[in-house]
Amino acid sequence: GAVVSQHPSRVICKSGTSVKIECRSLDFQATTMFWYRQFPKQSLMLMATSNEGSKATYEQGVEKDKFLINHASLTLSTLTVTSAHPEDSSFYICSASEMDERGYNEQFFGPGTRLTVL
Amino acid sequence: GQNIDQPTEMTATEGAIVQINCTYQTSGFNGLFWYQQHAGEAPTFLSYNVLDGLEEKGRFSSFLSRSKGYSYLLLKELQMKDSASYLCAVKGSNYQLIWGAGTKLIIKP
Repeated sequence: GAVVSQHPSRVICKSGTSVKIECRSLDFQATTMFWYRQFPKQSLMLMATSNEGSKATYEQGVEKDKFLINHASLTLSTLTVTSAHPEDSSFYICSASEMDERGYNEQFFGPGTRLTVL
Repeated sequence: GQNIDQPTEMTATEGAIVQINCTYQTSGFNGLFWYQQHAGEAPTFLSYNVLDGLEEKGRFSSFLSRSKGYSYLLLKELQMKDSASYLCAVKGSNYQLIWGAGTKLIIKP
């Protein structure tokens, strides 16, 4: 299957700093990338959907100025958590998909980034 | 509104069979996915159903009934490593995935 990498896998930062998370599709071109957040013992919550070369579409309740998404190429998307606070501590997961001729676009997930804000 | 329901937790015995149910109410349907997620890790793809019926893949099978808004994931010959959360997700009318809360499966020896 397709491989998606995410970097870093873990990050600990001080309150007020910004953290950038990278998501890369290694062996395919991702037309769409998704960013999720997951709090302990809860399901995945979609934060935003991004298509290469266009602005991300944010889900209701997600602050676009706080969670900056850049999808500059078909293999790379970045999520920057600006001015992070302890309540932003969570497991951030990206996924990438490539639409095939059937319109079938299975999402391939990265390994996730655990963010801890002190 | 859109809703996906699955049991919060299930317990089964090593070597046995377990069925995890998922019911959904969504605006539009373009397929249903099952993912496995071990604690602290990202989800991994298990199965995809878009037509009614049973899809078998090794020890795992997934069933879909679109008229009933119902799916199940069947796990056979359970192994300890199958202890994980199993997530049901439906691709809605806008082709984005709508996620269930997941079912935590506990396997006992």
